[in-house]
Amino acid sequence: GAGVSQTPSNKVTEKGKYVELRCDPISGHTALYWYRQSLGQGPEFLIYFQGTGAADDSGLPNDRFFAVRPEGSVSTLKIQRTERGDSAVYLCASSSSAAYNEQFFGPGTRLTVL
Amino acid sequence: AQSVAQPEDQVNVAEGNPLTVKCTYSVSGNPYLFWYVQYPNRGLQFLLKYITGDNLVKGSYGFEAEFNKSQTSFHLKKPSALVSDSALYFCAVRDMYQGNFNKFYFGSGTKLNVKP
Repeated sequence: GAGVSQTPSNKVTEKGKYVELRCDPISGHTALYWYRQSLGQGPEFLIYFQGTGAADDSGLPNDRFFAVRPEGSVSTLKIQRTERGDSAVYLCASSSSAAYNEQFFGPGTRLTVL
Repeated sequence: AQSVAQPEDQVNVAEGNPLTVKCTYSVSGNPYLFWYVQYPNRGLQFLLKYITGDNLVKGSYGFEAEFNKSQTSFHLKKPSALVSDSALYFCAVRDMYQGNFNKFYFGSGTKLNVKP
């Protein structure tokens, strides 16, 4: 079956530009997570959606980062006024709602800010 | 504060030998513990999890892990390593203490090298 997909796989942008990263979770998964993974590090939590609402956005580093999931399926991570420090791999994961369930990860979007 | 520690950046083992990848954690409530593997240019793949019950859990590809509450550890093990096991391994914990359980905390990863 189809797994979690993310587009684009790579994104190169210039400092100060706006970017959108898309995540298409596994059908039927109500929980969706965004993570950021820097080189040599583990995934760092950014935001968690349960359905359409952001249940926990405490990991977003600042107000330049925003994410939406308007219909409870596809999610978009939006970064305004990108900075070189935003360069990382952005991972999306989904799971069914039960707390004991593991997450299924997408392949990630590699963002490079020049 | 919640955290996960993987004390070894890299583990080297010969094919056919047993392997252990270490993980310790710190949480406020009960932990749900997970191991994931990441191959180059691929997403993280789930290996196994501990939620409750038997401290020894078995997962994919012959891997197992042992939950030790007193040592707050969840080490990943395999009796006989394969070259194809070479990858990056991540330990993760979900803190079931109210207010924390939305997040998963990941370790920094351990690179496993299995030599033929």
